[in-house]
Amino acid sequence: RKEVEQDPGPFNVPEGATVAFNCTYSNSASQSFFWYRQDCRKEPKLLMSVYSSGNEDGRFTAQLNRASQYISLLIRDSKLSDSATYLCVVSYGGSQGNLIFGKGTKLSVKP
Amino acid sequence: EPEVTQTPSHQVTQMGQEVILRCVPISNHLYFYWYRQILGQKVEFLVSFYNNEISEKSEIFDDQFSVERPDGSNFTLKIRSTKLEDSAMYFCASRRDTQYFGPGTRLTVL
Repeated sequence: RKEVEQDPGPFNVPEGATVAFNCTYSNSASQSFFWYRQDCRKEPKLLMSVYSSGNEDGRFTAQLNRASQYISLLIRDSKLSDSATYLCVVSYGGSQGNLIFGKGTKLSVKP
Repeated sequence: EPEVTQTPSHQVTQMGQEVILRCVPISNHLYFYWYRQILGQKVEFLVSFYNNEISEKSEIFDDQFSVERPDGSNFTLKIRSTKLEDSAMYFCASRRDTQYFGPGTRLTVL
């Protein structure tokens, strides 16, 4: 049973394109949701938290559908520097806050 | 901006040897974690640590693994007798509200 599932990609898009990533999670007890970004052989870095009402940070928009256990990330006007692997991450909450990672979706933005 | 640091960046060891991976979490953080990532696979939770004790551990974190916070700044992961399958990137993380990850130690077991 995969707890967090993502399309592995790769997504190859031209600069300026809009790209959307989807993620599903299996545990309905999940309480916190995140998108992390990971560059090759580097550590995961928090891109944004995901809230039930949806949230936006510049060119990035995240959505959460608790009923469907589905999370999305939309990147508008993609830049070369957006090339990375995008990790969907959930946490069951509580004081420990352990993170459960998806395998990631690889994005390659081409000039 | 404060950051989590890890040493060494790369550790090569022989199967059966003990290794200690070191981390310095961000100073005002209260929760500490170790994760690992085998090449080409997802990041996996190993253990969380709070108030000087393990608060949760995964099934990966068996008797060969231990963690310690020997002083006010360091947080270590020890693998007693390394196996080939322990080869991975090991990430330390700490948090107050949000988890921040260190740059990782690449462990290669020969």
